[in-house]
Amino acid sequence: QKEVEQNSGPLSVPEGAIASLNCTYSDRVSQSFFWYRQYSGKSPELIMSIYSNGDKEDGRFTAQLNKASQYVSLLIRDSQPSDSATYLCAGKTSYDKVIFGPGTSLSVIP
Amino acid sequence: EAGVVQSPRYKIIEKKQPVAFWCNPISGHNTLYWYRQNLGQGPELLIRYENEEAVDDSQLPKDRFSAERLKGVDSTLKIQPAELGDSAVYLCASSLEREGGPGTYEQYFGPGTRLTVT
Repeated sequence: QKEVEQNSGPLSVPEGAIASLNCTYSDRVSQSFFWYRQYSGKSPELIMSIYSNGDKEDGRFTAQLNKASQYVSLLIRDSQPSDSATYLCAGKTSYDKVIFGPGTSLSVIP
Repeated sequence: EAGVVQSPRYKIIEKKQPVAFWCNPISGHNTLYWYRQNLGQGPELLIRYENEEAVDDSQLPKDRFSAERLKGVDSTLKIQPAELGDSAVYLCASSLEREGGPGTYEQYFGPGTRLTVT
């Protein structure tokens, strides 16, 4: 099992809908989790971090962490065309190494 | 507040030539990371510094790659000699971690250097 796994997509949603991005992780990745957004040709930009089980909301974004099932998700409400990007899930190991998944491509259709 | 600065933004070299990348982290950030990102993949860590100390360089191909962060601020990553497979985007990131405490590891990335080896 890869340490951090994501569906590569592309995930397409209509404008105004909820986009749901999922990520699973291995036993090696057990601590903090992060979601980054990366526009084509640009560098990753931190959206949210989550450290404990449950939900964390920031504006239109909600991160959900379930350590028992080893998954973390990102919900984007009221999706906009400007949300079209690749979303990278990352997790931190016990020895402080952050491991990134391959990313999921999101396309929001006007 | 200025973000992470990297130079150059683009570099095209022939194989077997040397190349160097420079990074200046966000002011006050004590932890600096170098990543390599290939198309369609997530960033892969090459080396992590805490102040001047390289605390994780397990993924750095030491036969051809070297890095330094002499004064605990800016850093240089070098490849010598470059190979065709080194073509990628090289990203620098920084974070502020508390001394002796649990860190956030919330990383802020520079714009990257796109390296093409021909």
